[in-house]
Amino acid sequence: QQQVKQSPQSLIVQKGGISIINCAYENTAFDYFPWYQQFPGKGPALLIAIRPDVSEKKEGRFTISFNKSAKQFSLHIMDSQPGDSATYFCAASVGGTYKYIFGTGTRLKVLA
Amino acid sequence: ETGVTQTPRHLVMGMTNKKSLKCEQHLGHNAMYWYKQSAKKPLELMFVYNFKEQTENNSVPSRFSPECPNSSHLFLHLHTLQPEDSALYLCASSPQAGGPREQFFGPGTRLTVL
Repeated sequence: QQQVKQSPQSLIVQKGGISIINCAYENTAFDYFPWYQQFPGKGPALLIAIRPDVSEKKEGRFTISFNKSAKQFSLHIMDSQPGDSATYFCAASVGGTYKYIFGTGTRLKVLA
Repeated sequence: ETGVTQTPRHLVMGMTNKKSLKCEQHLGHNAMYWYKQSAKKPLELMFVYNFKEQTENNSVPSRFSPECPNSSHLFLHLHTLQPEDSALYLCASSPQAGGPREQFFGPGTRLTVL
C-alpha cells in the first residue's frame, strides 16, 4: 500500500524526442506527488510537483500528467536534450507530512 | 556555502571503525533528514529532526546514531557497520517537517564498508 512503482528502470531517447516515465501508487491518501531529478554526484532536486486536484501541470518542457482514477502519474519531457540525462524519481506523500515514498528511479539517457 | 553541504563526500571504513557523517544547511530551515540511497532501491528515510528534536526513526539499526545539535547541523555517527550498509547517504532539509514539502538535498556521502 505504501509503495510507489516506477517504470521503466532505464530509458534511452534521441535528442528532440519525448521521454515518458510512469509511476503508480495504491494509497489513495497520497496527496502530493513530486518528481526529483538527480545528476551524478549530486543530490536529488525538485523538478516539478502536482496535487491530485489537477490532471496536468506543465513547467517549460516538463509536464506531469495525473490520472486519479487509475492511481497513476507520469512525467513527460518534451524536446529531450542531452542535458536532461539524469536519474528521475517520482514520490508521493500524505497531507502535511514530510514522509516521501519514493519510486526506484529511472535512468534517462538522451543521445545527441 | 549555499544550500545543503555534506562531508566527507566519500568514506571507506572497516566494520570495526567509528566514523561520523556531517551535514550543514545554509537555508534557514528547521527540519533535517537522513536518507539511504542504494542501487535500484527507493530512497529510504532514516531519521527526521524538526526544530532539533528527533521525530522519526524509521526502524534504523542502532549502529547508526544521529545527532542534531542545532537546526543547521546534522550528524550521523557510524559504528560496527556491515558491508550491506554501503550506500549513498543523503541529507536533506525543509522549512519544517509539517510545512511546505519541498526537501532540499545535499550531494551525499558515498560510504563503502569493507
